[in-house]
Amino acid sequence: DGGITQSPKYLFRKEGQNVTLSCEQNLNHDAMYWYRQDPGQGLRLIYYSQIVNDFQKGDIAEGYSVSREKKESFPLTVTSAQKNPTAFYLCASSISVGSYNEQFFGPGTRLTVL
Amino acid sequence: AQSVTQLDSQVPVFEEAPVELRCNYSSSVSVYLFWYVQYPNQGLQLLLKYLSGSTLVKGINGFEAEFNKSQTSFHLRKPSVHISDTAEYFCAVSDKANDYKLSFGAGTTVTVRA
Repeated sequence: DGGITQSPKYLFRKEGQNVTLSCEQNLNHDAMYWYRQDPGQGLRLIYYSQIVNDFQKGDIAEGYSVSREKKESFPLTVTSAQKNPTAFYLCASSISVGSYNEQFFGPGTRLTVL
Repeated sequence: AQSVTQLDSQVPVFEEAPVELRCNYSSSVSVYLFWYVQYPNQGLQLLLKYLSGSTLVKGINGFEAEFNKSQTSFHLRKPSVHISDTAEYFCAVSDKANDYKLSFGAGTTVTVRA
């Protein structure tokens, strides 16, 4: 089955620690995205990547970092600089960025900072 | 930047009753419009999309939406809901001015009761 996988489903972190969230897709999509979801705020774009070895900041990139070394993978690192990292994180992919932009979403990772 | 307003944050509805979820967006020359559904602790699933053509769009699970350019609206409807329709619903918009990135509304939680 083609799709997007995210791991782990639940993640706990102590304050001051960096943590990396995994996102893998086998849809052969060029574009990948990371969103943060907080109650009552919808989804906000953290980073996106249009192609391997390229990525751009979204609306709330501060305290986050990404890499795109392979087409299939787009890991997100939540650094200790992110002041309020507890949230639900969603990864998505689309054929490309541009024109209409149907995105397919993974199941999400819920990060809790203790 | 594109903004999306979902006018109702919570919509309680009885089983087999109709439901309408309202979505308005800020004006743009040409937009693409989407409705996504999110079940608890899961990712987003596309319900339907408007790209061009007929303003009445039919989607999965008996949902439909109508694009109204003059009112900049894209309201979602279902004539008869089921318990399984209990979920959060997100309206999203993309346009060329925003590089076709998706802008999401804050979401509407639909709770269907027997």
